[in-house]
Amino acid sequence: DTAVSQTPKYLVTQMGNDKSIKCEQNLGHDTMYWYKQDSKKFLKIMFSYNNKELIINETVPNRFSPKSPDKAHLNLHINSLELGDSAVYFCASAGGVSYEQYFGPGTRLTVT
Amino acid sequence: QKEVEQNSGPLSVPEGAIASLNCTYSDRGSQSFFWYRQYSGKSPELIMSIYSNGDKEDGRFTAQLNKASQYVSLLIRDSQPSDSATYLCAVWMDSSYKLIFGSGTRLLVRP
Repeated sequence: DTAVSQTPKYLVTQMGNDKSIKCEQNLGHDTMYWYKQDSKKFLKIMFSYNNKELIINETVPNRFSPKSPDKAHLNLHINSLELGDSAVYFCASAGGVSYEQYFGPGTRLTVT
Repeated sequence: QKEVEQNSGPLSVPEGAIASLNCTYSDRGSQSFFWYRQYSGKSPELIMSIYSNGDKEDGRFTAQLNKASQYVSLLIRDSQPSDSATYLCAVWMDSSYKLIFGSGTRLLVRP
């Protein structure tokens, strides 16, 4: 059983398109995150949701819109994709008071 | 000053040696620290967490924390080629409810 899963694993699309990435966790955690890892491998938080409520919204363009239909799911919709959006996007979840985060397998987004 | 700093490496050690990975952080109030391992093309995998000053051992891994010096380290004993990966140090920031990652140290274990 995969603890944190993401779909799709790879996404290749053209500039200007709109795409979505889905994330699901079966760990019973209350908090979920989206991270972006750029070509230099730097991992940076984008959004955080706790029990469907947005907690963290970093300085991310408003073309990026997260949605959490329930505490086990966190999706990321990206409008008007740009070349600079090419990266690996990771979903993560955490529960309890330990702040330990567990990552999904990642979605490699390539914008051409 | 970056919030979490790591030497990017690569750190090259022979098989069987001890690999020592270091990390410094800027927020003196931080209480929770983590080490993640990331193989090329894979996701970060949590390998150690440490919350108190001193050493914490788990198998071949030992995490060391010195809050006074704002320093966290990870020792890998009896290094194996399979340990070759990028090791990410992460610090939980209570002030902003965020986990801040360092840029990672690439470890290469030579057979």
